[in-house]
Amino acid sequence: QITLKESGPTLVKPTQTLTLTCTFSGFSLSTSGVGVAWIRQPPGKALEFLALVYWDDDKRYPPPLKSRLTITKDTSKNQVVLTMTNMDPVDTATYYCAYGKWWELEYWGQGTLVSVSS
Amino acid sequence: QSVLTQPPSASGAPGQRVTISCSGSSSNVESSTVNWYQQVPGTAPKLLIYSNDQRPSGVPDRFSGSKSGTSAYLAISGLQSEDEADYYCAGWDDRLNGVFGGGTKVTVL
Repeated sequence: QITLKESGPTLVKPTQTLTLTCTFSGFSLSTSGVGVAWIRQPPGKALEFLALVYWDDDKRYPPPLKSRLTITKDTSKNQVVLTMTNMDPVDTATYYCAYGKWWELEYWGQGTLVSVSS
Repeated sequence: QSVLTQPPSASGAPGQRVTISCSGSSSNVESSTVNWYQQVPGTAPKLLIYSNDQRPSGVPDRFSGSKSGTSAYLAISGLQSEDEADYYCAGWDDRLNGVFGGGTKVTVL
């Protein structure tokens, strides 16, 4: 059974750095062709791609956000960590981690709502 | 606004067929495969269609996907009340990497 769960702060202040952890079970991030992604969704808005790390440590980001994002994997701990710097109120969203082959994200965590406010 | 363009809403009576479009460009939809996700409000998205037209195990065959050039389509036949949800297309862009549509809210009349 494959599960993923996001954890991290529910409230951050503007300009702070957000660190989210995705803890997973039921698969290995060492298996060829698989990856874990972070996706976010502001309240009432669409999904937005943030980052993806593949089994071979190849990492992808959307260019407009690349300078603020870092994704890392710890295969031994079954975790993927996302850091996002210089948080702003517009970054208020539900943050999801998801797993699948390449860009086919078949398994998702429940999501974690992060609010940015002073 | 989203890189992939979807109509904001679609509707149909129970049993009818609804089709949702996803318009992109030569750098995303045309050059990569398209996936579709279903999201019931308050829950995480669910993979509905991958590689343009493939259904994961457990997805009813009422859902089908197709692609032609820079556009992709999701069809729901035999519409049921439980199909009320938001639907998102997703693709891979040569420059932007992962891209999503703006979502389509499906209402069963």
